[in-house]
Amino acid sequence: DTGVSQNPRHKITKRGQNVTFRCDPISEHNRLYWYRQTLGQGPEFLTYFQNEAQLEKSRLLSDRFSAERPKGSFSTLEIQRTEQGDSAMYLCASRSIWGGFFGPGTRLTVL
Amino acid sequence: AQKVTQAQTEISVVEKEDVTLDCVYETRDTTYYLFWYKQPPSGELVFLIRRNSFDEQNEISGRYSWNFQKSTSSFNFTITASQVVDSAVYFCALSLGGYSFNKFYFGSGTKLNVKP
Repeated sequence: DTGVSQNPRHKITKRGQNVTFRCDPISEHNRLYWYRQTLGQGPEFLTYFQNEAQLEKSRLLSDRFSAERPKGSFSTLEIQRTEQGDSAMYLCASRSIWGGFFGPGTRLTVL
Repeated sequence: AQKVTQAQTEISVVEKEDVTLDCVYETRDTTYYLFWYKQPPSGELVFLIRRNSFDEQNEISGRYSWNFQKSTSSFNFTITASQVVDSAVYFCALSLGGYSFNKFYFGSGTKLNVKP
C-alpha cells in the first residue's frame, strides 16, 4: 500500500463530455505529480504542484486540461470536451526524498 | 534534453533463469537520480530502487541487483532465479536532482514474462 489513492479507478465517457479525477497523496508529501500513460509506453509528465502552487505544466497539457490542488492536499485533474486521444491511464504520484510513490491510476476510456 | 532508453521491449524466460533488464540514460546534468519501477498487471507502479549520480556502488536486495555505470550511462537491473511473480513491465526513470526532486523521465518499459 503506497498510500496514494485515486478515484475513480475506471471512467468511461463519451466524446465531448467533461471528466474529473481525484488524487489523495501521502499526507506528508508536499509535491504532487500527474502523469499520463498510454498503452505500451512509459508514463509522461503532465504537471506538478508544490503545496497548492502549480509549478510546471507539460506541453501535453492542452487548454482542455486543468489541474488544481486547493489547500495543498488532494488534487483534481479535469479534462473538458474529451477526445478519443485522451484515452489513457492517468497516474498521480507524491514524492519524498526516497522516491516517487504512485497511485493505482484512473483508466479513462473515451468512446 | 533528458532521455531514457529501454531497448528491450519484451523478454521471456523460464522460471529460475537470471535476467538482466537494460537501461541507458541521457542527461547533461551532473546531479540526477535513477529509479526502477515495476508495473504488474494490476497497473500500479511499485518503487524498487533509487540511485543518485554520485553513488556508483552496485546494490543487491534479495534476488534483485542493480549495476550503475556512469561511464556508459547505464543502470541495469538483474533478477536472479526469476519467479513467475516477477512477470510485469519494468520501467527505468531519470529525475534531475539537487534538493528539488523533479519530474520523472521514463523509458518505454520492458515487459518481462517468466514462464513456469
